[in-house]
Amino acid sequence: DAGVIQSPRHEVTEMGQEVTLRCKPISGHNSLFWYRQTMMRGLELLIYFNNNVPIDDSGMPEDRFSAKMPNASFSTLKIQPSEPRDSAVYFCASGLSVLAPEPYEQYFGPGTRLTVT
Amino acid sequence: KQEVTQIPAALSVPEGENLVLNCSFTDSAIYNLQWFRQDPGKGLTSLLLIQSSQREQTSGRLNASLDKSSGRSTLYIAASQPGDSATYLCAVSKGGSEKLVFGKGTKLTVNP
Repeated sequence: DAGVIQSPRHEVTEMGQEVTLRCKPISGHNSLFWYRQTMMRGLELLIYFNNNVPIDDSGMPEDRFSAKMPNASFSTLKIQPSEPRDSAVYFCASGLSVLAPEPYEQYFGPGTRLTVT
Repeated sequence: KQEVTQIPAALSVPEGENLVLNCSFTDSAIYNLQWFRQDPGKGLTSLLLIQSSQREQTSGRLNASLDKSSGRSTLYIAASQPGDSATYLCAVSKGGSEKLVFGKGTKLTVNP
């Protein structure tokens, strides 16, 4: 398997522009997570989906952020309008939840490094 | 609110040394604890997962222990190698939730 695929790997944009990050989870996985990593705050969970349904979006910083999962093989994280403080590495992870709440491994993508100038 | 702390933030050791990385958490009502490895410019790789009912897990040269009552976990790396150089993060989840709360990590450098 190719693992979790994220695109683009790097994104540089100007303040006020819309940014869309994309994620393709591992085939067969039914949970998908979006994380943000910064030096100051570390790694934070933004939102996660189970069977394409958003379960917990309490980590989404504000209304400028939105995430969708239209099908089991694709998810997007959109920032509109973007601000310099959104600069971070955004990770997508997926996993297979079989017997909730039994713990299961999350597989991370390589991340998208976002710079907002 | 759960907080996870990892000390030290950075560690440099000579090759072959045994070492211990520390992780502490403020809320002992966790469901599981995981240790991850992150290489520069890459995503995270899961190393070990300890369920709350377990005391430790082992994989190769790695051994992770969990003491829920004291809110602590340690990751022991035996006979360290330069290839072990990476940032190690621990994360905890609360029962019934898939949300992981991460520490900021320990950056390990193993010198040849």
